This record gives sequence, C-alpha cells and structure tokens, in this order.
Amino acid sequence: DADVTQTPRNRITKTGKRIMLECSQTKGHDRMYWYRQDPGLGLRLIYYSFDVKDINKGEISDGYSVSRQAQAKFSLSLESAIPNQTALYFCATSDSNWDRAKNIQYFGAGTRLSVL
Amino acid sequence: AQTVTQSQPEMSVQEAETVTLSCTYDTSESDYYLFWYKQPPSRQMILVIRQEAYKQQNATENRFSVNFQKAAKSFSLKISDSQLGDAAMYFCAYRSALGAGKSTFGDGTTLTVKP
Repeated sequence: DADVTQTPRNRITKTGKRIMLECSQTKGHDRMYWYRQDPGLGLRLIYYSFDVKDINKGEISDGYSVSRQAQAKFSLSLESAIPNQTALYFCATSDSNWDRAKNIQYFGAGTRLSVL
Repeated sequence: AQTVTQSQPEMSVQEAETVTLSCTYDTSESDYYLFWYKQPPSRQMILVIRQEAYKQQNATENRFSVNFQKAAKSFSLKISDSQLGDAAMYFCAYRSALGAGKSTFGDGTTLTVKP
C-alpha cells in the first residue's frame, strides 16, 4: 500500500461546483503539503501544515482552502471550481524531525482535476 | 524567495548513451537540499537523487550522478547508460534546511530516450 494516498485519482467537475481532494498518509509525518502542477510547469505550493493546528498559505492559495482533520489527513477544497483550476494536484508529507541525511518529501500519486 | 531554473525544456539521448540535464537556482541561504525527481507518464513523483549543500562530494545513485557547484548555484544531473525506462519529465527542486521545508521546483525537462 502507498504511504501517501490521494483520492480521487481523477475527477471531472463543472464550474461553480465545490470539490474536495483528500490525502492520507501512514508515514507518521507531521508536515503535509498540497502542490499544483500545470502542463509544462513545475509544482507550486498551495497550502502546507505543520500539524493539526498549524496551517499556512503557500504561493497560490487563492480559491483554495484546506482542512487538517488529523495528523494523517489533509484535504484540499475548491469552494467554487473554475476552469483555470484544471491541473494535477499533489499531496506530500515530511517529518520535522528529519534526519539531516534525508530531508525527503514523500509524494502521493496525484489527482488529475478537470473543471469544465 | 528561491527560484529554480531548468533551461532545457526537452532533451533526447540515444539508448546506452549519457545525457546531462541542467539546473540552476538562486538563494541567499547557505544550508539547503537539492533534489532531482522523475515523473513518468504514471504521474508519480519519484525521487532520483538528493544532495546536501553542506557536502562537497557529489551524490551518486547507480547510473545517476550530480555535478553540484555551490558557488555557481548549479546542480546538473547526469544519466549514464540511458535506458528506455529513463524517459520521463525530470524536475529539479530546492528545499531549505530551515523553516517550513517547502520545496521550490523548476519547470522540468522532458527526456526522450531513443532506441
């Protein structure tokens, strides 16, 4: 089983709809992140969370909200989806007590979202 | 803010040959980490190799190695004995050793491997 699981893997929705992307992890990490990838571009940070009570905006948070329901769960919501939010979304985790020799972020398999 | 630049949108290599992917970055920090990720058509982000900025020795992982030039802020990836399975998008990423541990990614290089 994957350590970082994203659901759904693919989603098509209509403009104006509310949609939630979910992420769960079994790695026991305290930090979780949501990134967005557009075609031909790298990943950009939407939101990140240090722990359940600590949520922070990334560079492109407008139009998105998040919820850290538990240490293992971090959800991304689009309150009113618009076509330019069509993208590939990645969840990632890391451990604040990282070993200096590692400092690795672990990524889920991504959710492809299409907003029509 | 840190920036990561991959100047080669596309590269191609003949199977069994060697290819080098370029990456430069800009930062005022002295302690950080650099990564190369591979993204095949399956979309999964796969860690290829990692470099700690405080280490002068270049990282190697089997057929993959890096040329880390800290003063020049350059971090290139060399793939030796290229295989068809190496075909993918490759991303260079920067991660600060301090703060939130966010990563900054380049825009990627699409690598084609020709049989």
